[in-house]
Amino acid sequence: EVQLVESGGGLVKPGGSLRLSCAASGFTFSNAWMSWVRQAPGKGLEWVGRIKSKTDGGTTDYAAPVKGRFTISRDDSKNTLYLQMNSLKTEDTAVYYCTTGLNGDPRVFDYWGQGTLVTVSS
Amino acid sequence: IQLTQSPSSLSASVGDRVTITCRASQGISSYLAWYQQKPGKAPKLLIYAASTLQSGVPSRFSGSGSGTDFTLTISSLQPEDFATYYCQQLNSYPLFGGGTKVEIK
Repeated sequence: EVQLVESGGGLVKPGGSLRLSCAASGFTFSNAWMSWVRQAPGKGLEWVGRIKSKTDGGTTDYAAPVKGRFTISRDDSKNTLYLQMNSLKTEDTAVYYCTTGLNGDPRVFDYWGQGTLVTVSS
Repeated sequence: IQLTQSPSSLSASVGDRVTITCRASQGISSYLAWYQQKPGKAPKLLIYAASTLQSGVPSRFSGSGSGTDFTLTISSLQPEDFATYYCQQLNSYPLFGGGTKVEIK
């Protein structure tokens, strides 16, 4: 069974940093493109960024609002995805989901974690 | 590329046929997916490649369209279908539409 379990959310002050983790199981993590998607309270879904598999270059892409502040990385030996968030702003407050596409197109998100809440507030 | 969903919300009754539209600002071929999200839950994939039903999704859900105009149709709305629906384009970086909330009439 595919499982994605996020952790690391919490309350942080503006300008602070936080690192989220996503523990994956039930599939070959090293072959998967992994993404982070967030959802601000009462708002829609927003793609944050992704990291491709090493066989596809292992490159990262980011949405404009987080580029230069957020960094996505992966540890294939631990089957874990990370999201390092720096220079946090109040508008980064959201539930952060780890997601992946395993059935054909890696850009189609057929598996999601339960989400972890990040609150940026003074 | 921008995605515009309409309507942003709708009220419908059980048994109704419901259609949600997603329009892309430029052509994206069939690189479109649809998701359902219930309060407090992660999104669930319904349809990909504009019209391919994800395994396990009831056949009352269907998708159509290509290029810039797409639709998600629920042929006979069921109580468990009251939720928010999002389209997502796959042509370049993933981008979601603004969502359509389907409420009970």
